Amino acid sequence: GENVEQHPSTLSVQEGDSAVIKCTYSDSASNYFPWYKQELGKRPQLIIDIRSNVGEKKDQRIAVTLNKTAKHFSLHITETQPEDSAVYFCAAKYNTDKLIFGTGTRLQVFP
Amino acid sequence: GAGVSQTPSNKVTEKGKYVELRCDPISGHTALYWYRQSLGQGPEFLIYFQGTGAADDSGLPNDRFFAVRPEGSVSTLKIQRTERGDSAVYLCASSPYQMNTEAFFGQGTRLTVV
Repeated sequence: GENVEQHPSTLSVQEGDSAVIKCTYSDSASNYFPWYKQELGKRPQLIIDIRSNVGEKKDQRIAVTLNKTAKHFSLHITETQPEDSAVYFCAAKYNTDKLIFGTGTRLQVFP
Repeated sequence: GAGVSQTPSNKVTEKGKYVELRCDPISGHTALYWYRQSLGQGPEFLIYFQGTGAADDSGLPNDRFFAVRPEGSVSTLKIQRTERGDSAVYLCASSPYQMNTEAFFGQGTRLTVV
């Protein structure tokens, strides 16, 4: 079925350390993989996305990697800052264009 | 406005009542999504419109839930005979026609069924 698994559910890091969140998807035809950040009480906002024709994309301290063979994709945040603390959701677009979300990772960055 | 707008922002209703939740997408966006988000969970897909038609309604939990988008812009999510388990934040998102582009979310409607 259409499924996106996300790990870990919570992640605590020291300021300046790196954080990695991993997702797997079930449909090999999926070709679009966005990552959203949601702060408490606010709407999800896109932070980075990747399409299936590339294996890696980077935007300043944030990078996403995609392994289509293994159906894995990961979010990497380097030099974490307290303002990175939020819930992060991965998602995969399935064949009817619907976006299926993972269960979320609560990231806490301690000063 | 420039963003996706949802009204009301909060709705409290009694069990068994009917509610309507409204979404105004970004102008020109043909794709519109409805999601439901419970506390501590990811957005759960409900229905997706491309233009006026529901391209995929496989996420609607049962026949008490229905959504329309008669003119291809504003959409209304309708819930009949509400139950306490329907309490959640209902999120709307829109994106341009082009595939594989960002979906922009509204701020959500917090529905509480008492």
